[in-house]
Amino acid sequence: DTEVTQTPKHLVMGMTNKKSLKCEQHMGHRAMYWYKQKAKKPPELMFVYSYEKLSINESVPSRFSPECPNSSLLNLHLHALQPEDSALYLCASRLTGTGNSPLHFGNGTRLTVT
Amino acid sequence: KQEVTQIPAALSVPEGENLVLNCSFTDSAIYNLQWFRQDPGKGLTSLLLIQSSQREQTSGRLNASLDKSSGRSTLYIAASQPGDSATYLCAVRREDAGGTSYGKLTFGQGTILTVHP
Repeated sequence: DTEVTQTPKHLVMGMTNKKSLKCEQHMGHRAMYWYKQKAKKPPELMFVYSYEKLSINESVPSRFSPECPNSSLLNLHLHALQPEDSALYLCASRLTGTGNSPLHFGNGTRLTVT
Repeated sequence: KQEVTQIPAALSVPEGENLVLNCSFTDSAIYNLQWFRQDPGKGLTSLLLIQSSQREQTSGRLNASLDKSSGRSTLYIAASQPGDSATYLCAVRREDAGGTSYGKLTFGQGTILTVHP
């Protein structure tokens, strides 16, 4: 069982909808990540939060808006998405952004944009 | 720019075989290397993390080696089982004295492993 919990597991949304993905961990990790994964491809980094501060934005379109309300929670707000944004969205965390701790992933949210 | 390559792209073996998955990277200035497995439609499960100063790590039937100077790592799976069927990904984290990469990983494309009974 993963210690990084993502909800919902599946999400279908129209291009005019607004929805949010949620990620939660209670391992005391202070670095949290959003990745996007298309079928048969490796994960691609979107955002990194370190100590609740946005530290890396990999030139992600503004229709994706991350939020880290506290050290255990990470949200990804979605608005006006395109069908090509359909993918598996993975949240991950590690103890800190530095150091040798491994990265832990959640099971992802399967997003379909219609 | 770091590039990570995994060979083979797919592998099918009978149950019980020992097997080796390969991972190579172009920039040897790495901080660590991590092996993951991913089951269809699921997230990634961390298998082993090797620090740049280490040569190998072992967990159960899994053994990962690292040759930093030649830019290679292997994942050895002993006595394979059908439950080992998954996609295996390696990922490297570059050296980052300033801490500005925040643990960003570069992934390989993965090896799809099928172990048939």
